Amino acid sequence: DGGITQSPKYLFRKEGQNVTLSCEQNLNHDAMYWYRQDPGQGLRLIYYSQIVNDFQKGDIAEGYSVSREKKESFPLTVTSAQKNPTAFYLCASSRGPGNIQYFGAGTRLSVL
Amino acid sequence: GIQVEQSPPDLILQEGANSTLRCNFSDSVNNLQWFHQNPWGQLINLFYIPSGTKQNGRLSATTVATERYSLLYISSSQTTDSGVYFCAVEKVDTGANSKLTFGKGITLSVRP
Repeated sequence: DGGITQSPKYLFRKEGQNVTLSCEQNLNHDAMYWYRQDPGQGLRLIYYSQIVNDFQKGDIAEGYSVSREKKESFPLTVTSAQKNPTAFYLCASSRGPGNIQYFGAGTRLSVL
Repeated sequence: GIQVEQSPPDLILQEGANSTLRCNFSDSVNNLQWFHQNPWGQLINLFYIPSGTKQNGRLSATTVATERYSLLYISSSQTTDSGVYFCAVEKVDTGANSKLTFGKGITLSVRP
């Protein structure tokens, strides 16, 4: 199956805990992205990576961290510094700037 | 940054009716995409349309880049068309970085 796989589908975070959301793609895309969606809102960019071992902050990077050690993987860590983490998180990939972005099915994160 | 405005915010249709969804953006862009978000949150690519007109079955889209707007047409609407429709634009900067900026979406409800 070709595409973008996000896991888990649902995730619960305890106070003060870091959690990591997984995003894997087998489309051989160079670029990968993380977005956050709050209820009734559009998506906002958290981090993006155009190439392995390089990434840039998006519009709302505070309280999040990423790594890009492999082309197919772009995990997102929601740290304890993110005071309002409850949201729907979507991962995307593309061949690069100006190309179509394809999205995974998302992870819903809630705080216990 | 680029501003993206979608209208109307909500739309209720009777099955079989036609509709037009609008997206205005505040700057020149290299790319524009229309998405449909289903009730489970999955974002489905509808069109990649930085300029011109495209058609896919009952859906078509037109982007007039010089006037900074795009229109999504839905003809003979079906209940399965219900969901949220997002417009997203991308501007590639001089460093070849790019970010998709989303509008807040249009919630469409098609009644049987």
